[in-house]
Amino acid sequence: DVKVTQSSRYLVKRTGEKVFLECVQDMDHENMFWYRQDPGLGLRLIYFSYDVKMKEKGDIPEGYSVSREKKERFSLILESASTNQTSMYLCASTVRSSYNSPLHFGNGTRLTVT
Amino acid sequence: AQTVTQSQPEMSVQEAETVTLSCTYDTSESDYYLFWYKQPPSRQMILVIRQEAYKQQNATENRFSVNFQKAAKSFSLKISDSQLGDAAMYFCAYRPTSGTYKYIFGTGTRLKVLA
Repeated sequence: DVKVTQSSRYLVKRTGEKVFLECVQDMDHENMFWYRQDPGLGLRLIYFSYDVKMKEKGDIPEGYSVSREKKERFSLILESASTNQTSMYLCASTVRSSYNSPLHFGNGTRLTVT
Repeated sequence: AQTVTQSQPEMSVQEAETVTLSCTYDTSESDYYLFWYKQPPSRQMILVIRQEAYKQQNATENRFSVNFQKAAKSFSLKISDSQLGDAAMYFCAYRPTSGTYKYIFGTGTRLKVLA
């Protein structure tokens, strides 16, 4: 089974801090995604990456950046955390070769910015 | 713009009964994939079922089946013989087969299963 591991289940950070959310997958997937999940808004795509060092903005990239130096690892960076970035963050991966491949998700990181 | 709409924020079903969750989507594409995902209280999102738009036959996975109506752009999920473990958030998702790696999600339906 594919395993997608997010480094933290819960994080509490202060406004203005630089925050790193890490995600690692073990199935050699080319595509990796970061979503933000908020009640009533569903999942919104922040960034995705289709290869090492390749990235594309999603629907809500403002205030975020990403890094993909190795195929298995995709990091989400909050350059200067703000209270409106308090949310659940979900990482996911999938193979690139097939459009019907499902996303495989991590357990999520609940980030609180105070 | 491509959108996915889940009009039922919350639903309840009695254990062993059948429930249908609705999903509609808007697209001008002719070929795409549709998915239902389940997110239990433990939070890890898992795939429930998927449907290919060019296949007319509705997908089925054990107690889960879909009613795919391409002309109406509707993709509902039917859960038969509901179990307590079916209680979760359910998300409908759409993925086109051209131009993007994106999956577009609906806002979710919270399903409660009553004993």
